[in-house]
Amino acid sequence: ETGVTQTPRHLVMGMTNKKSLKCEQHLGHNAMYWYKQSAKKPLELMFVYSLEERVENNSVPSRFSPECPNSSHLFLHLHTLQPEDSALYLCASSQVGHHFYGYTFGSGTRLTVV
Amino acid sequence: GESVGLHLPTLSVQEGDNSIINCAYSNSASDYFIWYKQESGKGPQFIIDIRSNMDKRQGQRVTVLLNKTVKHLSLQIAATQPGDSAVYFCAEEKSGSNYKLTFGKGTLLTVNP
Repeated sequence: ETGVTQTPRHLVMGMTNKKSLKCEQHLGHNAMYWYKQSAKKPLELMFVYSLEERVENNSVPSRFSPECPNSSHLFLHLHTLQPEDSALYLCASSQVGHHFYGYTFGSGTRLTVV
Repeated sequence: GESVGLHLPTLSVQEGDNSIINCAYSNSASDYFIWYKQESGKGPQFIIDIRSNMDKRQGQRVTVLLNKTVKHLSLQIAATQPGDSAVYFCAEEKSGSNYKLTFGKGTLLTVNP
């Protein structure tokens, strides 16, 4: 496996379900990100973890809960979501510091809330 | 063809033509810029970057131009191919932002065979 891997690729869940999105990076990077991508909107930053510490939480509702157990893994735990939360959720990683060259994205999880 | 990223989000070109995608960035303190390509069903993919101490950078079939005076970034694709069809995003990083990228809305490029 290379790059940034996200699972599952597609997820359909009811509003009362609990599910988790998983992201794994194989690049040796020290920062990881969750983004939400909705139709006709710019990418929305949700959470940033740098050196396994959450450094940013962009006013995201508490029904989204991130977890970063180590520098290679990132989770997004979901519970009691709303239909407007349906979107493509993208994970990214980067090497912050002197050698920053932007983010490497995974292919995303297409989430549909019914 | 030419597109102003946030105002005209679609660009249609003929195969073999050159494409120009434009982006107006917001922050004069931004000092690092990246173009990403996102194909259907995939995440954004790095194409080319440029730092604020440069005004032009070339890659394979792609060129990025930076005009700091008017805060304008453009991506030129030479001899556009059907495989270039995708949404293209510009991203800017402001110095001191702790490596946070701000993304534009994106421009959909469609290449007609």
